Amino acid sequence: QQQVKQSPQSLIVQKGGISIINCAYENTAFDYFPWYQQFPGKGPALLIAIRPDVSEKKEGRFTISFNKSAKQFSLHIMDSQPGDSATYFCAADDPANFGNEKLTFGTGTRLTIIP
Amino acid sequence: DAGVIQSPRHEVTEMGQEVTLRCKPISGHDYLFWYRQTMMRGLELLIYFNNNVPIDDSGMPEDRFSAKMPNASFSTLKIQPSEPRDSAVYFCASSFRDGTEAFFGQGTRLTVV
Repeated sequence: QQQVKQSPQSLIVQKGGISIINCAYENTAFDYFPWYQQFPGKGPALLIAIRPDVSEKKEGRFTISFNKSAKQFSLHIMDSQPGDSATYFCAADDPANFGNEKLTFGTGTRLTIIP
Repeated sequence: DAGVIQSPRHEVTEMGQEVTLRCKPISGHDYLFWYRQTMMRGLELLIYFNNNVPIDDSGMPEDRFSAKMPNASFSTLKIQPSEPRDSAVYFCASSFRDGTEAFFGQGTRLTVV
């Protein structure tokens, strides 16, 4: 079964600090790597995504770093704020696999930002 | 568009009863996914449809689970008979054909007592 391994399971970061969540994958056919953010009582929502033709993508305080040779990617949250406290899921997909597309999710990281 | 709509938001039922969860995907989306979320197992894909046709149901845990998509705007996930271990939050999500972004509903929190 295709897998995406995510770590850590939980993370506590001081306000203003950098939060880093890591993911590793096995299937080299994966070609799209999104991160989802989930607040309590809500469904996950797309936060930021990257394709492997670039090594980094930045949107505001959120950055994805991608290492194709190591089959790893990570989410960095700069200047972490209490409002960033949520569960974060990495995921992977093979968009070229038309008709059989599905996101494979990591197990999630519960991020808590403390004042 | 109001997004993916799930009902009910909360369901409490007794063991052995039939439970039906409902989902209305975003209009125009080709894919519909059913996920189950628990603390122990995280977010699990149960089944997904492409243009109303079930593509992969390998994540459905047992024959007690079944899902249908009679048309492009409606899907159901049924558990019969329900068991306490089925207690979880069930999410429905939909996406366009390229599958690059899945839009999730608010989920149905199911408690089987």
